[in-house]
Amino acid sequence: NAGVMQNPRHLVRRRGQEARLRCSPMKGHSHVYWYRQLPEEGLKFMVYLQKENIIDESGMPKERFSAEFPKEGPSILRIQQVVRGDSAAYFCASSPRAGNSYEQYFGPGTRLTVT
Amino acid sequence: AQKITQTQPGMFVQEKEAVTLDCTYDTSDQSYGLFWYKQPSSGEMIFLIYQGSYDEQNATEGRYSLNFQKARKSANLVISASQLGDSAMYFCAMRERIQGAQKLVFGQGTRLTINP
Repeated sequence: NAGVMQNPRHLVRRRGQEARLRCSPMKGHSHVYWYRQLPEEGLKFMVYLQKENIIDESGMPKERFSAEFPKEGPSILRIQQVVRGDSAAYFCASSPRAGNSYEQYFGPGTRLTVT
Repeated sequence: AQKITQTQPGMFVQEKEAVTLDCTYDTSDQSYGLFWYKQPSSGEMIFLIYQGSYDEQNATEGRYSLNFQKARKSANLVISASQLGDSAMYFCAMRERIQGAQKLVFGQGTRLTINP
């Protein structure tokens, strides 16, 4: 039973390029959360999605960031025109339903470095 | 909005000693959940223990226990008989309910170092 998968694990982008981070939730999970961890800080919520719907994007920066969770395929976090301040670890978590987040399982994270 | 405070940026403990990592929280909700996660140098987030606000007994999971003091709004993690492999960052988190979603609010973390 595979856990939450994220790829790539490490991503290097030059300033101005686009970054695409992918998250495949656990089998049977239809709810996905994205969190960002800046160096030496705790994780901060970005966005919560269900299949084909964004439920809560209150933690997403207003510009350059977008997220989707299509009917088929992984959830994608997209960062356009990356800047150095976007360098961080991005974690995805999934749960089977909108319920007790005791069941929120984290992926290994994608470490984005912007040069 | 909920808030989690971890006041110990770093802690150093001798192997086999017990260690307590502090966590205080602020919420106006009656129903909430508190979590502890471990983040080793490899970077993944490992769930350790969960305490619900209505749970009457303190949660325990092996060498981990949660010292839950509701009136003081504290949820300290206790690790008994520490091991070298316990060296890691530790994060306290609280469940925040928004539109049915249950996102987690994290503290700043405590870096624990176990000395041989």
